[in-house]
Amino acid sequence: SAVISQKPSRDICQRGTSLTIQCQVDSQVTMMFWYRQQPGQSLTLIATANQGSEATYESGFVIDKFPISRPNLTFSTLTVSNMSPEDSSIYLCSVQEGTGPPQHFGDGTRLSIL
Amino acid sequence: GDSVTQMEGPVTLSEEAFLTINCTYTATGYPSLFWYVQYPGEGLQLLLKATKADDKGSNKGFEATYRKETTSFHLEKGSVQVSDSAVYFCALGTGNQFYFGTGTSLTVIP
Repeated sequence: SAVISQKPSRDICQRGTSLTIQCQVDSQVTMMFWYRQQPGQSLTLIATANQGSEATYESGFVIDKFPISRPNLTFSTLTVSNMSPEDSSIYLCSVQEGTGPPQHFGDGTRLSIL
Repeated sequence: GDSVTQMEGPVTLSEEAFLTINCTYTATGYPSLFWYVQYPGEGLQLLLKATKADDKGSNKGFEATYRKETTSFHLEKGSVQVSDSAVYFCALGTGNQFYFGTGTSLTVIP
């Protein structure tokens, strides 16, 4: 099964700055997903990233705020831009093997904005 | 829209007790249903799934049955262990759309 390395594991950032989160998978996967988990809430899908194409964003999320790169089949990044305290969340990377649900998740990045 | 409603926690049980974590769903179509588990300090893992009505998913002693008549997918285990302490998430999937519950924290004490 796929093993996902996500970093940083946590960070404390200043308002107005940007942070890039990296997700590395130990095998080639077609689809990678980025989720946000706000305090006390469930996971919300931000976007789906396929290699070689633009990421597909869910309602309420835009590329200018959450640009995503997917340069190859084992790696993706999510940038949280111009951060505000409302962006304080856990951000998770997930992959799908074959078809079906996301089966493997990274350990998440705990982000706090002051 | 599609959604899942999950039993609120936290839940604290003694070892060998019976566990039930309730999950109900709302869906316009015929979703698949899942339970994920997140052990302390680790990422989410798929625990079990069911893709159609009356299917039973099972793994590691946990079971859940897809009940269309009650729109439920309750997680059960007959005898919990300390190592089962984790956060459990119910989820619904239709195509590539997935909706997660808010999670239920379980602590099992010796």
